This record gives sequence, structure tokens and C-alpha cells, in this order.
Amino acid sequence: QKEVEQDPGPLSVPEGAIVSLNCTYSNSAFQYFMWYRQYSRKGPELLMYTYSSGNKEDGRFTAQVDKSSKYISLFIRDSQPSDSATYLCAMTDSNYQLIWGAGTKLIIKP
Amino acid sequence: EAGVTQFPSHSVIEKGQTVTLRCDPISGHDNLYWYRRVMGKEIKFLLHFVKESKQDESGMPNNRFLAERTGGTYSTLKVQPAELEDSGVYFCASSQVGGAIWELFFGEGSRLTVL
Repeated sequence: QKEVEQDPGPLSVPEGAIVSLNCTYSNSAFQYFMWYRQYSRKGPELLMYTYSSGNKEDGRFTAQVDKSSKYISLFIRDSQPSDSATYLCAMTDSNYQLIWGAGTKLIIKP
Repeated sequence: EAGVTQFPSHSVIEKGQTVTLRCDPISGHDNLYWYRRVMGKEIKFLLHFVKESKQDESGMPNNRFLAERTGGTYSTLKVQPAELEDSGVYFCASSQVGGAIWELFFGEGSRLTVL
């Protein structure tokens, strides 16, 4: 069983829609939770990070963590075609190593 | 300021050949990480340098992989001899010592195809 599960998609939504991306994990020791965006042929770039359960908002992006359910989400409001990318969740283990999800490919249709 | 640069962007080699990937971190970043993503799978940690020292190489798959960071600047990752399962994208990332794990800056990756 993978430590981090993430639906690979692709997830296709119309421009302006609210997007929900999710990851589940099995290790309750994971401490920090990150979301990265990766455009084609580019490296991952950090979007948001969170530590505790709850919500964290940054512009059109909201990261949500539910440690009791071992479930994290990234919401994108007013989605734009420029948001089309692969979104990767990652979390830190007890050694502060990054454990990654496989990524969800998101397509925003104009 | 230049970001993390990796070379080559794509390499196609035959099984049994040798390939050397290079990573130039952001100037002043003593932490340097190598990661690998095999197609369709998640990114996996390979190793971590602090300056020229290997801090953690627990992710290196086997002794066909050799990473070096002479002088604590750029790093190389050599695969010798390459096998089919080594195909994937190799990412390098760097950060300042004392920085949080999420303060990594990634390069664009080196895509390796082993035929």
C-alpha cells in the first residue's frame, strides 16, 4: 500500500469552476503537508504548506488538512486555464523527508 | 537570480551505457537533494548533500548510482551501467541550511530514457 494516495486524473473542469484536489495518507506521523504545482517539463513549485488540521487560504487557493481522517485537500476558486498543471501533494515523515503523491493532472477548459 | 539548473534536459542511452546528470544549485544553497520520478509513479527521494557531505543517501536504489558534490557547489549523479528501470525524470532541488523542507527550489529535471 502506498503511503500517499492521489488520484492521477486527469480532472477536466470548465474555466471558473471550483476545483477540489485530494490526497489520503496512511502514516499518522506525517507532520507537514504541502501542495506543489508542476507545469509540463518543469520542476515542482510550492503552492502552499500547512501543519495543523484546518484551513489555510492564499488568494484563490485553500489548503485543508484533516489529520483525524488522514485526508488533505486543495481547493482552487475561479479556476483559470493557467491553472492547468499537475498538482502534487507531499508530506514530511519523522525524518523530515518528503513523501509524495503521484500527482493529479488538472485541465481547465476555456 | 538564477534558479536550480540541470543538464542535460533529456538523455537517451542504451542499456549498459553510462550517463552523468549535473545539477547547479542556487548560489549559497548548501542543501542539495536528488529525487527521481519514474513514469506514472510518485517522486522518490534519492539523497541529500549538505555542502560536499552526503547527509542521507538512503534513497539510492543500488550501487550503480553514484552522486558527488565536490567542493560543495554543483553535483553530479552518475548511473553506470544504466538499466531499463532507471528511466524517469531526475530532479535536483536546493535550499539554504536551516531552511524548512518546503523551502526547496526544484530544477526542471533531467529526463533519462534507457532503451
